[in-house]
Amino acid sequence: DTEVTQTPKHLVMGMTNKKSLKCEQHMGHRAMYWYKQKAKKPPELMFVYSYEKLSINESVPSRFSPECPNSSLLNLHLHALQPEDSALYLCASSHGLAGGPGNEQFFGPGTRLTVL
Amino acid sequence: GQNIDQPTEMTATEGAIVQINCTYQTSGFNGLFWYQQHAGEAPTFLSYNVLDGLEEKGRFSSFLSRSKGYSYLLLKELQMKDSASYLCAVAYSGGYQKVTFGTGTKLQVIP
Repeated sequence: DTEVTQTPKHLVMGMTNKKSLKCEQHMGHRAMYWYKQKAKKPPELMFVYSYEKLSINESVPSRFSPECPNSSLLNLHLHALQPEDSALYLCASSHGLAGGPGNEQFFGPGTRLTVL
Repeated sequence: GQNIDQPTEMTATEGAIVQINCTYQTSGFNGLFWYQQHAGEAPTFLSYNVLDGLEEKGRFSSFLSRSKGYSYLLLKELQMKDSASYLCAVAYSGGYQKVTFGTGTKLQVIP
């Protein structure tokens, strides 16, 4: 299994809603990532988990809250989002932390989020 | 921070060869990745370079010069399905290892 899966595929939410994005991989990867991608822009790193511990938080607002319940799962909890948070949210995983052969990232298909 | 530059758009003809350049400025360089991203889809891994020189993988090759902060992706025998964005991504050590993506080059292959 060389897939990273993400649910839901699309999500529309209001600014007062609470929702969660889910990501799963069964490749035995120990590093998992959340990226945000706006149209015609590159993916922007948000969070990195290594061995289920948060390693990197790229100064992301607290309305985004990541969680790594186990080595295969990664969640992103959303609360009180703003319309400018509308974007494609990509999850990725790699064998180890990025850098080095064999540590390329495998990306999920993304969740397209619209905040009204 | 990291500074990565790529041309915004390129057009090439089916069957031809195209070279997509990437220049970067970074400290703690730890390798350079190329990814392909079709519109509305996730990026997929193409190649990785950490030492100077050319890595060949079928129709795709990637070159790195660390002293010049320069890489290119070479696509041979272009096919229509190669129309996509090509993202250069630099891995670097900053306490923890990170990857920063360039802005991407949108390649259009025409008949």
